[in-house]
Amino acid sequence: NAGVTQTPKFRILKIGQSMTLQCTQDMNHNYMYWYRQDPGMGLKLIYYSVGAGITDKGEVPNGYNVSRSTTEDFPLRLELAAPSQTSVYFCASSYDRNEKLFFGSGTQLSVL
Amino acid sequence: EDKVVQSPLSLVVHEGDTVTLNCSYEVTNFRSLLWYKQEKKAPTFLFMLTSSGIEKKSGRLSSILDKKELFSILNITATQTGDSAIYLCAVEYTGGGSNYKLTFGKGTLLTVNP
Repeated sequence: NAGVTQTPKFRILKIGQSMTLQCTQDMNHNYMYWYRQDPGMGLKLIYYSVGAGITDKGEVPNGYNVSRSTTEDFPLRLELAAPSQTSVYFCASSYDRNEKLFFGSGTQLSVL
Repeated sequence: EDKVVQSPLSLVVHEGDTVTLNCSYEVTNFRSLLWYKQEKKAPTFLFMLTSSGIEKKSGRLSSILDKKELFSILNITATQTGDSAIYLCAVEYTGGGSNYKLTFGKGTLLTVNP
């Protein structure tokens, strides 16, 4: 049972570089989310999607972009990486709205 | 201002102790409150609460919601070292508009010592 799969697990970027965090789910969930988690700060919503072709901003969208071309995939793009984007990133999905989120294993990103 | 406040932020207990974790919230158009357990990496779902006074129970864990006083508690009885984790509370609400929002608290770090 794959569930929600995120890649990579770890990444170090230099300031100004860009990268894409991949997320795929095999549960046929319509709802998908990207969160970031900073130490002692809980989870902050970056972007979410309610279905293929539909995305919307969360609490902290600046510096990020997303796309949702298929039900399964929800990549997160970082353009011009900054040290403030050093964080752990979680992708999640759910069958309906925010009920019972299934999380991926996370990506530890450092921007130096 | 924080809409979801968890307390305590950290807690150290011995195996066998009973602990109570708190989550208070202040939102408009509340829909549900969820508890998650986060060990090494990904949070895993524990409970979803929508109605006041109805206890949800799973083994040694239980949770209850008070919509009048705007808080929930998560109880863990006879704690084990495997209960060591961050416990996250999240509240779903619509605010003043039609779009849903889900806000997480900062979490409670529970450490259970043998």
